[in-house]
Amino acid sequence: AQTVTQSQPEMSVQEAETVTLSCTYDTSESDYYLFWYKQPPSRQMILVIRQEAYKQQNATENRFSVNFQKAAKSFSLKISDSQLGDAAMYFCAYRRGSGNTPLVFGKGTRLSVIA
Amino acid sequence: DTGVSQNPRHKITKRGQNVTFRCDPISEHNRLYWYRQTLGQGPEFLTYFQNEAQLEKSRLLSDRFSAERPKGSFSTLEIQRTEQGDSAMYLCASSFAGTRSYNEQFFGPGTRLTVL
Repeated sequence: AQTVTQSQPEMSVQEAETVTLSCTYDTSESDYYLFWYKQPPSRQMILVIRQEAYKQQNATENRFSVNFQKAAKSFSLKISDSQLGDAAMYFCAYRRGSGNTPLVFGKGTRLSVIA
Repeated sequence: DTGVSQNPRHKITKRGQNVTFRCDPISEHNRLYWYRQTLGQGPEFLTYFQNEAQLEKSRLLSDRFSAERPKGSFSTLEIQRTEQGDSAMYLCASSFAGTRSYNEQFFGPGTRLTVL
């Protein structure tokens, strides 16, 4: 079975600084997707960024970028120029192949942003 | 597009009672997922539908749990004889499974269940 591990239960960052959240996963599949989701307090989960396993280029979405190391099965999220609105739970998630299969989530990292 | 909606947002019940939650997906989405999120954990998959067909159920979905999606529109998740261990946030998500290999899952706000 696939597993996703987030080893940092909590992180904090100063406003305008950069922070990196770690994620490792375990799978025997060759075709899969990786995601970072953001869950603000009392608000619904939204997709931050995704990475297709077959793409070598790391995904980037504005201030959010990933470091995808396929051989190491590592998928970290870098948030640049952190803003107060970035404070939330961040979940790393895995989905095998195509066909919209269910997501497998890590336990999450709670990010605090200090003004 | 009003997003995925879930009702009720909060439910408090006594142990042994039955509860039912509703999820209304984004209108054109044919896939609907249920996840459960307990305190300090990430969401865990329960079951999902394509249109009205229930395609997969997790081992987490005991025989006290049942889900339906009549006519492939809204879905209900019922828990019979609730136990304190059922206390959690129940999340619904929807997506469109088409010819593309990737389609984003959009999440609802969740229903928080507390079993006393």
